[in-house]
Amino acid sequence: DVKVTQSSRYLVKRTGEKVFLECVQDMDHENMFWYRQDPGLGLRLIYFSYDVKMKEKGDIPEGYSVSREKKERFSLILESASTNQTSMYLCASSEGGQNIQYFGAGTRLSVL
Amino acid sequence: RKEVEQDPGPFNVPEGATVAFNCTYSNSASQSFFWYRQDCRKEPKLLMSVYSSGNEDGRFTAQLNRASQYISLLIRDSKLSDSATYLCVVNRSGATNKLIFGTGTLLAVQP
Repeated sequence: DVKVTQSSRYLVKRTGEKVFLECVQDMDHENMFWYRQDPGLGLRLIYFSYDVKMKEKGDIPEGYSVSREKKERFSLILESASTNQTSMYLCASSEGGQNIQYFGAGTRLSVL
Repeated sequence: RKEVEQDPGPFNVPEGATVAFNCTYSNSASQSFFWYRQDCRKEPKLLMSVYSSGNEDGRFTAQLNRASQYISLLIRDSKLSDSATYLCVVNRSGATNKLIFGTGTLLAVQP
């Protein structure tokens, strides 16, 4: 079974803090994704990576950056957290050339 | 117009009922279609892929109508455990690896 692990289930941070969300997958997948999910808006793609050190902006990259130094790990960084970044963050991975994505359990981030 | 549109529901049905959801997509060049299931406060999980010829997996049947650009999911003999949000998912045109997720249809199966 594919396993995608997100480092935290719940996080509470203060406005202006730098926040790191970590995601690790164990299936040697080329592609990794970060989404946020908000009521009524569904899943929105923040960033996407198709290889180590490669990244591509998604639909809502503003206020976020990512890092992929190793194939299995994809990190999402909030440089200076703001209250409008309170959300559920979901990491996913997929094989190269394949569409099916496998998700981690999610991190529910609250920015106060 | 949203790229993938679904009726948010909720669909409240009794156990044993048959229920159907539709989803429309805007990009006629999309090639891959899926239904994902998401339980409350959990991550989305693949329920089934949707093929042009239609496909069935137990009590679940998925259909694709390319001409009208809609996808359907039929659930027969609903169980309490089917209660969840069902997400319609379509690949982005020209981007085989990237998906667009609908906002989901909430199903509540009542005893």
